[in-house]
Amino acid sequence: QAVVTQEPSLTVSPGGTVTLTCGSSTGAVTSGHYPYWFQQKPGQAPRTLIYETTNKHSWTPARFSGSLLGGKAALTLSGAQAEDEAEYYCVLSYSGVRWAFGGGTKLTVL
Amino acid sequence: EVQLVESGGGLVQPGRSLRLSCAASGLTFSRYEMNWVRQAPGKGLEWVSYISTSGSTLYYADSVRGRFTISRDNTKNSLYLQMNSLRAEDTAVYYCATGAYYYDSGSSSPNFDYWGQGTLVTVSS
Repeated sequence: QAVVTQEPSLTVSPGGTVTLTCGSSTGAVTSGHYPYWFQQKPGQAPRTLIYETTNKHSWTPARFSGSLLGGKAALTLSGAQAEDEAEYYCVLSYSGVRWAFGGGTKLTVL
Repeated sequence: EVQLVESGGGLVQPGRSLRLSCAASGLTFSRYEMNWVRQAPGKGLEWVSYISTSGSTLYYADSVRGRFTISRDNTKNSLYLQMNSLRAEDTAVYYCATGAYYYDSGSSSPNFDYWGQGTLVTVSS
């Protein structure tokens, strides 16, 4: 089974910009992996921020964006706020509706 | 308002069985593919299983294949996970999450739009 990799932790200053990445052990991440990004705060269920690489839900703050960058999926946060401190997970599709989550990135806003 | 409510978690001894349920409301359940996702204490998310709208197509993570069985009852708007031969490493919060919804036009909604709050399964002697 494929291994999906994320940075274990990142720190961003309030108002700053940070990019989280999501790689695959099988090679470059493409739109065919249908990358999703989730935000999870302690004691809460995950919430989808980005689906299928770049698409935002109605509830996704405009400061979040998704892309492909250097063979990985990427989540960019521009103008970080204290409320963005959370764990962020990506998930990639392998063979249709079989999914593999990344290990998560703990984002600190400091 | 869409609600997914998991139940059936608890403390179980290694080697025993447990059946989880996920009750759906506020959505046309029969038209959503569904997933189970779990999260061990202090750890990341792990996709566990998928079921198609009709229940005819099933997929499992390698870690649970042969021990877990996903099913659904569209007449009861419910999703299930039968877990057999439980191991300590199955200890986790189990979430049900929607998959794609297929419109009459053939287009589909994204996966993972809706999540339950999870039910904790603890496997320990």
